[in-house]
Amino acid sequence: AQSVTQPDIHITVSEGASLELRCNYSYGATPYLFWYVQSPGQGLQLLLKYFSGDTLVQGIKGFEAEFKRSQSSFNLRKPSVHWSDAAEYFCAVESANNNDMRFGAGTRLTVKP
Amino acid sequence: DVKVTQSSRYLVKRTGEKVFLECVQDMDHENMFWYRQDPGLGLRLIYFSYDVKMKEKGDIPEGYSVSREKKERFSLILESASTNQTSMYLCASSGAHYGYTFGSGTRLTVV
Repeated sequence: AQSVTQPDIHITVSEGASLELRCNYSYGATPYLFWYVQSPGQGLQLLLKYFSGDTLVQGIKGFEAEFKRSQSSFNLRKPSVHWSDAAEYFCAVESANNNDMRFGAGTRLTVKP
Repeated sequence: DVKVTQSSRYLVKRTGEKVFLECVQDMDHENMFWYRQDPGLGLRLIYFSYDVKMKEKGDIPEGYSVSREKKERFSLILESASTNQTSMYLCASSGAHYGYTFGSGTRLTVV
């Protein structure tokens, strides 16, 4: 079965600084990979997804992620963080055979002024 | 704008009560899911459904049941609420591999 690890529970960055959130997955074949964002008290919103093709995918709110098969990673990046990006971020992997999606434990992002 | 709507944002129930959490989607999705979210544990899958009247257990089904009588509606039932079921409950729906659409969540407190 697929699984996801987000090594960083909490990250703090200064506004305007760059951001990288790490995600490692375990899956036997090429997975479907996703990043979601959750603002306090809200549900999760899809930021971006990777199915195949170009390994660098663009998402909403200026985020991008890069799929690296050799490292089993799908790290999320943003060149310049805004205060409104403070939230919790979840990486997820979905089996190609069904719609069973597994989520990482999440990384909470704090943005310093 | 496509939506998944959870009937309540906040609920407070007493131990032993039967609790119904309702979820409705307007996207004609086949697949619907119930998760609970707890600090440090991420999202854990309780039950899911790939079709009307069909249900499958997720990772933590104990103490829960579900009902899917219509395609757009997926209900989570706590047969006899307990304090360890205090949590945020998230409903989601999906088409084929396009990612999930989540509701806003129901924060349930069992006292």
